[in-house]
Amino acid sequence: EVQLVESGGGLVQPGGSLRLSCAASGFTFSSHGMHWVRQAPGKGLEWVSYISDGGRKIYYADSLKGRFTISRDNAKNSLYLQMDSLRDGDTAVYYCARDRDSSGWLDYWGQGTLVTVSS
Amino acid sequence: QSVLTQPPSASGTPGQRVTMSCSGSSSNIGSNYVYWYQQLPGTAPKLLIYKNNQRPSGVPDRFSGSKSGTSASLAISGLRSEDEADYYCSAWDDSLSGRVFGGGTRLTVL
Repeated sequence: EVQLVESGGGLVQPGGSLRLSCAASGFTFSSHGMHWVRQAPGKGLEWVSYISDGGRKIYYADSLKGRFTISRDNAKNSLYLQMDSLRDGDTAVYYCARDRDSSGWLDYWGQGTLVTVSS
Repeated sequence: QSVLTQPPSASGTPGQRVTMSCSGSSSNIGSNYVYWYQQLPGTAPKLLIYKNNQRPSGVPDRFSGSKSGTSASLAISGLRSEDEADYYCSAWDDSLSGRVFGGGTRLTVL
């Protein structure tokens, strides 16, 4: 059974940093690209970033470039999102999602981890 | 303001057929696949339609997707109370070099 479990969310002050993790199981992690998608309270989905199966292709939402860094460790079946210079507007539930065939086919999602940026 | 435009709400009665639209441009829907996701209250999104009109296993054939030019549509026939949810379209945008989502349509089953 495919499982994606996010962790690392919490309360952080504006300007602070946080590192999210996504532990994958039930499939060959190294064969799939992965995404981070976020959802602010009461708002819609916002795509954050994508990393290819081998980590060589990386894309970010324009509004986040330079502050967020996606990475993965295929040996640990884990996906990461390093978030720096956090702002109030980054408050959201962050989901990791598997890409079935690198076409944007997000077939499995985690349950999400809440990041709250507040002083 | 989302790159893909969806009506904020839609409604129907049980058994009815409802459709919801997703409007984009030549750099996203016009040249790439469209995906649809269903988000029930308090849960993570779930893939409903992939590559414009394909249903993953387990998704009832009451759900169907289509695409024409720079617009896409999701249709739900035989509406049921459990279909009450938020629905999002998504596509890759060549100009942005990123994935984009619509703002979502909240479906109410009356």
